[in-house]
Amino acid sequence: AQSVTQPDIHITVSEGASLELRCNYSYGATPYLFWYVQSPGQGLQLLLKYFSGDTLVQGIKGFEAEFKRSQSSFNLRKPSVHWSDAAEYFCAVGVIVTGGGNKLTFGTGTQLKVEL
Amino acid sequence: GAVVSQHPSWVICKSGTSVKIECRSLDFQATTMFWYRQFPKQSLMLMATSNEGSKATYEQGVEKDKFLINHASLTLSTLTVTSAHPEDSSFYICSARDPRNRIPEAFFGQGTRLTVV
Repeated sequence: AQSVTQPDIHITVSEGASLELRCNYSYGATPYLFWYVQSPGQGLQLLLKYFSGDTLVQGIKGFEAEFKRSQSSFNLRKPSVHWSDAAEYFCAVGVIVTGGGNKLTFGTGTQLKVEL
Repeated sequence: GAVVSQHPSWVICKSGTSVKIECRSLDFQATTMFWYRQFPKQSLMLMATSNEGSKATYEQGVEKDKFLINHASLTLSTLTVTSAHPEDSSFYICSARDPRNRIPEAFFGQGTRLTVV
């Protein structure tokens, strides 16, 4: 069975500083990987996804992530954080099931706080 | 991208009553949909896989008699929380994938915040 680990429960960065959120996954085959962001009381917004090809993927809001098979990692990065980036971030691995659906397993999430 | 609509966005109900949450794929047909639950300040946990025309597949520890799932058509799955209790208060969210799209991206509904009083 697949699993996702986000080692950092909370991270605090200063506005304008760079950010890296860690994600490690466990899955036997080539994974489908995702990063989602969730603001308080809100639903999920997809930041970026990896299915195949270029291991460095660009997402919305200036985020990027790099898939490293050798390290089973898919870390999320942003060169300069904005105060509006404060939110909960979830990494997820997806598996295609019978019927074609994409079943996701989420990490425990990382709460990002941005200091002004 | 594909659109998944979930209704209601929030609901408050009394203990002992039942609540139905709908998840619709608006511009595609989905034979499979997924239901997740998120307790406050926690991650999202898969509850069950909803299969059109057949029984849902529940994750370990999820009571199938309490969380009734019906996938009666290719565009609608419903989750009914029966005899709700305060501990069922949570954020429920569904997802589906457009099978016509080679890229297996999951699209989420807006989520439903259930409060049982």
